[in-house]
This record gives sequence, C-alpha cells and structure tokens, in this order.
Amino acid sequence: RKEVEQDPGPFNVPEGATVAFNCTYSNSASQSFFWYRQDCRKEPKLLMSVYSSGNEDGRFTAQLNRASQYISLLIRDSKLSDSATYLCAVNKAGGFKTIFGAGTRLFVKA
Amino acid sequence: DTAVSQTPKYLVTQMGNDKSIKCEQNLGHDTMYWYKQDSKKFLKIMFSYNNKELIINETVPNRFSPKSPDKAHLNLHINSLELGDSAVYFCASSQEGVRDTEAFFGQGTRLTVV
Repeated sequence: RKEVEQDPGPFNVPEGATVAFNCTYSNSASQSFFWYRQDCRKEPKLLMSVYSSGNEDGRFTAQLNRASQYISLLIRDSKLSDSATYLCAVNKAGGFKTIFGAGTRLFVKA
Repeated sequence: DTAVSQTPKYLVTQMGNDKSIKCEQNLGHDTMYWYKQDSKKFLKIMFSYNNKELIINETVPNRFSPKSPDKAHLNLHINSLELGDSAVYFCASSQEGVRDTEAFFGQGTRLTVV
C-alpha cells in the first residue's frame, strides 16, 4: 500500500462547479498535512496546509480526519485557472521527508 | 532572488554518461531533498539531507550520489546513466522542527537519456 493515495482523476468540470479531492495516508504518525498545486511542466507549490479543525482560504477548503487518516480539498466556484494537478502531502515531524500522493488532475472548462 | 534554484533546467545525454545537477537554496533551511518525478507524474523522494548530513536514502541505486558541501547546497551526481533515469528531478528545501514544514521546490531539471 502506498503511503499516500489519491484518485488520479482526471476530473473534468465546468466553470463554477464545486469539486472535491480525497486523499488517504497510511502512517498514523504523520503530523503535517498539505495540498500542493502543480501546473504543467512546473514545480509543485504549496496551496495550503491542512489542520485538524479544517481551514479555508477563499474558494478552497481543506479538511483532515485523523481517525480515518483522510484529507480532503474542496474547490468552490471553479475557475479556468484552477486547472492543474493537486498533490496531497504528509510529513512526520522530524521525519525529514514529505511524502506526496500521485496527484489528481483537474481540468476546468468554459 | 529565487528561493531554490537548480541547474541545468534541461539535460539531454547518452546512456552511460555521467552528469551532475546542482541545487542551491537561500531560505536558510536546514533540510534539502531530491525528488524524482517520472512520466506518470509520481513525485518520489530520493534523498534528504539535514545540515549537510544524509538522513534518508530511499533505496536509490548507488549510481546516484548526492553531495552537500554546506547546508545551502545539495548536488546530485549520476553515473552510468540509463534510459530509466529519464525524469524530472526536483530539488527542495524545508525547515524541520516547525509545525508546518512546507517544502519549497526548485524549477526542476528535465533529464532525457537517449
């Protein structure tokens, strides 16, 4: 079983749609959780950290369920510019490595 | 003022050659990494270094030899390149010991072995 698993998609949605991505992790000692965004032929960049209480940044909402070892990302009112690959990532404090999921591709169409 | 910079951006070489990729970060981070992203876009950690010391080697072949002359630099040397080494190699850095250890990535080196 991979340490971090996510649905590779692709997700094809119209502008304005709401889309949700899910991710599961296997290491219960994981302590930090993130969503990264990677555009085509670019490096991954942090979209947002994920906290147990859930957090929101504009149209983006991230949730963490430690009991189920599950992370989610919700994008509301999708824009064309949201088209990218979204990578779930986890890190164990002092573990010196961030483990990434395979990424979920999102295509937002006009 | 690029935070994590790696060179070269593109590298095309023949099988059997030896090549190096350089990486530098100006963020003052203690930890640096090499990741490999293959054609299926899976981003897999190869090595992590903390204060110039190797911490993690994720069962990478001996042909790959990282070197960290100081904590701001982590270079990757690859011997006897094989076709399967073709991928994008990303350098990254982070600061361990803080709550949200965000990794900052370089722009990547697209290696093509022919």
